[in-house]
Amino acid sequence: GENVEQHPSTLSVQEGDSAVIKCTYSDSASNYFPWYKQELGKRPQLIIDIRSNVGEKKDQRIAVTLNKTAKHFSLHITETQPEDSAVYFCAATDAGGTSYGKLTFGQGTILTVHP
Amino acid sequence: DVKVTQSSRYLVKRTGEKVFLECVQDMDHENMFWYRQDPGLGLRLIYFSYDVKMKEKGDIPEGYSVSREKKERFSLILESASTNQTSMYLCATSGTSGTSSYNEQFFGPGTRLTVL
Repeated sequence: GENVEQHPSTLSVQEGDSAVIKCTYSDSASNYFPWYKQELGKRPQLIIDIRSNVGEKKDQRIAVTLNKTAKHFSLHITETQPEDSAVYFCAATDAGGTSYGKLTFGQGTILTVHP
Repeated sequence: DVKVTQSSRYLVKRTGEKVFLECVQDMDHENMFWYRQDPGLGLRLIYFSYDVKMKEKGDIPEGYSVSREKKERFSLILESASTNQTSMYLCATSGTSGTSSYNEQFFGPGTRLTVL
């Protein structure tokens, strides 16, 4: 089955700096890579995703890059703000296969943005 | 808006008790999932279901069972609770209805279970 490794486990940055979280996956059949954000005491929510037919996707201050050859993908947050402080999870799946929407999640990264 | 609700936010049970956690969704989603969330371990899949009465084991099914008698409802059962099952339990759904992609998962608020 799929295995997703996520690093770092904690990340502390100053407001305005950039933050990068990296994930690697093991199953070459995986083709859909979402990122979820979980604020303290709240439920995880999808913030951005990427499919294997593109190498990069941006949405305002967040971007995700994918390197299929190396089997890794990354989340980039620019101009960080205190409200970006949260736990971030990456995930991977073989969308459209027999996965039934099942996602394999990474271990999570606690991002703290200091004012 | 997808609404995913869970029966309790906090639950305290004793070792050996049978525990039921219930998840209800109102978006007609085919797929439902149960995860446990522990610090440093991420979201680990316990069981999932892709249709009524259908269930599949996830990565950590030992000590758990599930039931899906109706499309909107997915129950997680701890037959005999143990202290190592103290955790945050999250339900999620996904499916073809609505404007979201099939693979986007919508989570419930979570149930923090403590087993004494």
